[in-house]
Amino acid sequence: EAGVVQSPRYKIIEKKQPVAFWCNPISGHNTLYWYRQNLGQGPELLIRYENEEAVDDSQLPKDRFSAERLKGVDSTLKIQPAELGDSAVYLCASSLEIGQAGELFFGEGSRLTVL
Amino acid sequence: AQSVSQHNHHVILSEAASLELGCNYSYGGTVNLFWYVQYPGQHLQLLLKYFSGDPLVKGIKGFEAEFIKSKFSFNLRKPSVQWSDTAEYFCAVTNTGGFKTIFGAGTRLFVKA
Repeated sequence: EAGVVQSPRYKIIEKKQPVAFWCNPISGHNTLYWYRQNLGQGPELLIRYENEEAVDDSQLPKDRFSAERLKGVDSTLKIQPAELGDSAVYLCASSLEIGQAGELFFGEGSRLTVL
Repeated sequence: AQSVSQHNHHVILSEAASLELGCNYSYGGTVNLFWYVQYPGQHLQLLLKYFSGDPLVKGIKGFEAEFIKSKFSFNLRKPSVQWSDTAEYFCAVTNTGGFKTIFGAGTRLFVKA
C-alpha cells in the first residue's frame, strides 16, 4: 500500500516569494491534515480536512497561508508571501475515518527554508 | 488549552539499558493516546496507541506504555534498548470530542553501541 506522498521534499526560497506544497494521502483516507514542525518542536496542526471540507483551520495563518482539497483527495498548501519564520517542515497526514481520533499516517514532509 | 509535555528533550543510553520517556498531558475529557517515532531519514510512524481497556499497551519492537489516568501520564518504556532504537519519539494526545491531535516537543534518543 502506498503511503502519504508529499512534494517537494525540499524547497529553498527568498522571503516574499510564494511556495506551494502538495500532498496525496493514502487511498481511501477521508481525513487529511497539514502540520508544521519547527526545529526542536513537535508537529502543530495547521488545518484538518474531512473529505473536501476544512473542519478545523483555526491555527492556519490566513493572511498568508491557504489550502485546498478540491476533490477530497489530494491537497495543496500555499504560502504567499513567505517570511523567514515560515522555515519549517510541513507535514501532511491522513487517517481512515471521519470523526474519529485514530492513528495518523504521515508523509515524509516538505522542508522549507526561507532566506 | 490542551497541551502535551515530554520531560526529556535528549536522552543518551548504552545498548541494553532500560528506557522510560515521560509524557504528561493536560485535558480533562476523554483522550486517545499515542507514541509516534521518527527514525533518521524516515517519516513519523505509530509506535503504539491507547484508546481504552488495559492501561498497559504494547507496541512494536518491544515498546510498551502505561496510561495512568490520575496522573494524566502516558510514559513509554522499553526494558533493553538497541542501537536501532535511535530516533525521535513524540507523545500525542487526541481529544475524542474535537478530534484534535496535539504533539509533545519530542525526545531525541541516542543509543550508543
